Amino acid sequence: AQTVTQSQPEMSVQEAETVTLSCTYDTSENNYYLFWYKQPPSRQMILVIRQEAYKQQNATENRFSVNFQKAAKSFSLKISDSQLGDTAMYFCAFMKHFYKDFGNEKLTFGTGTRLTIIP
Amino acid sequence: DAGVTQSPTHLIKTRGQQVTLRCSPKSGHDTVSWYQQALGQGPQFIFQYYEEEERQRGNFPDRFSGHQFPNYSSELNVNALLLGDSALYLCASSSVRNTEAFFGQGTRLTVV
Repeated sequence: AQTVTQSQPEMSVQEAETVTLSCTYDTSENNYYLFWYKQPPSRQMILVIRQEAYKQQNATENRFSVNFQKAAKSFSLKISDSQLGDTAMYFCAFMKHFYKDFGNEKLTFGTGTRLTIIP
Repeated sequence: DAGVTQSPTHLIKTRGQQVTLRCSPKSGHDTVSWYQQALGQGPQFIFQYYEEEERQRGNFPDRFSGHQFPNYSSELNVNALLLGDSALYLCASSSVRNTEAFFGQGTRLTVV
């Protein structure tokens, strides 16, 4: 079974600063995917960024980037030039590589980090 | 594109009752997964439906059941409600072999 751990329940940062959210995971799988999801007060989970474990290059999406350390089983999210709209719960999630010909694999989530951007 | 839609948005039920939650997947998606998110926790996987069959199931009792219809929409049923079933229930849709799951806004279930 996979586990995902987010050790920072809450963080806050001034607008325009950079913040890093931490995530560690445990798995015996070699092929898998890692995600960061954002959940604003509207409750809808929004995909922020995705990393394939077989790719050594860290994923980047505009102001969001990850530091993926496979051997250490670490997957942190860096938000640059933080904006008020970044205020939300952030969840790290794990998905095994799918081998079946149907459906998809489930997501295993961490407990989340509540991020507040201060004006 | 309406994205993933869930109904109702809020629901209050009494212990012992039964509830049905509904989900319409994003256009083009054929796989629907359900998650339970207790207050202050991350979502927990309940089960997944593909081609009208339950393909995977998480660690939830048989009181939790579901269905997928030919148009790929899905229902989550919970029988004999307990206070501990109070949570946000999230539906996520995806297409087969695509890792990106799109979530609905959830149904907030309160059991009193």
